[in-house]
Amino acid sequence: KAGVTQTPRYLIKTRGQQVTLSCSPISGHRSVSWYQQTPGQGLQFLFEYFSETQRNKGNFPGRFSGRQFSNSRSEMNVSTLELGDSALYLCASKPGQGAIGELFFGEGSRLTVL
Amino acid sequence: LAKTTQPISMDSYEGQEVNITCSHNNIATNDYITWYQQFPSQGPRFIIQGYKTKVTNEVASLFIPADRKSSTLSLPRVSLSDTAVYYCLATGAGSYQLTFGKGTKLSVIP
Repeated sequence: KAGVTQTPRYLIKTRGQQVTLSCSPISGHRSVSWYQQTPGQGLQFLFEYFSETQRNKGNFPGRFSGRQFSNSRSEMNVSTLELGDSALYLCASKPGQGAIGELFFGEGSRLTVL
Repeated sequence: LAKTTQPISMDSYEGQEVNITCSHNNIATNDYITWYQQFPSQGPRFIIQGYKTKVTNEVASLFIPADRKSSTLSLPRVSLSDTAVYYCLATGAGSYQLTFGKGTKLSVIP
């Protein structure tokens, strides 16, 4: 069974640009959540989607957005990039909603903003 | 969301048992304790989850006392490949997000 797949794995952008990251969850998983990891702030929750609906959102500015498609694949978008957006962006999936149970993480997309 | 506190780092020799303690004084009645392991530049990997007493799987044991204000992750006979950051989380059945703290950086020494 394939794991959570994130693309691209690495990317470099400049300030002011926007970026779209993609996540394909494990087959059958309907919940997809996104996290940002930086050395200073650690792992922080961005948002969770279930059945194409955003169920919860972390404390991030509106520049961070996401969506989920009918096949459960998800994308997140960051507009007007800032230097501080440089981070490892992690996607995770699970079969159902909620925080109980095992969450399966992808290997992440490493974003560098210059 | 209950806050958890764990040691910043720990060192252990290969072959030893490692116990990492997590404090969660304000844990809610319906919160579960979950542990994840993370290697550099990889996503966290689920280790174990429990509500009370003891839970054991093929890689670890989780001990949660009756008052549930703390828990201990036990890794038997660690190897160099167990060098990683370990996160303790208190997750409620009604919540939708995981709150990761700083984690415990475990270094296994030959």
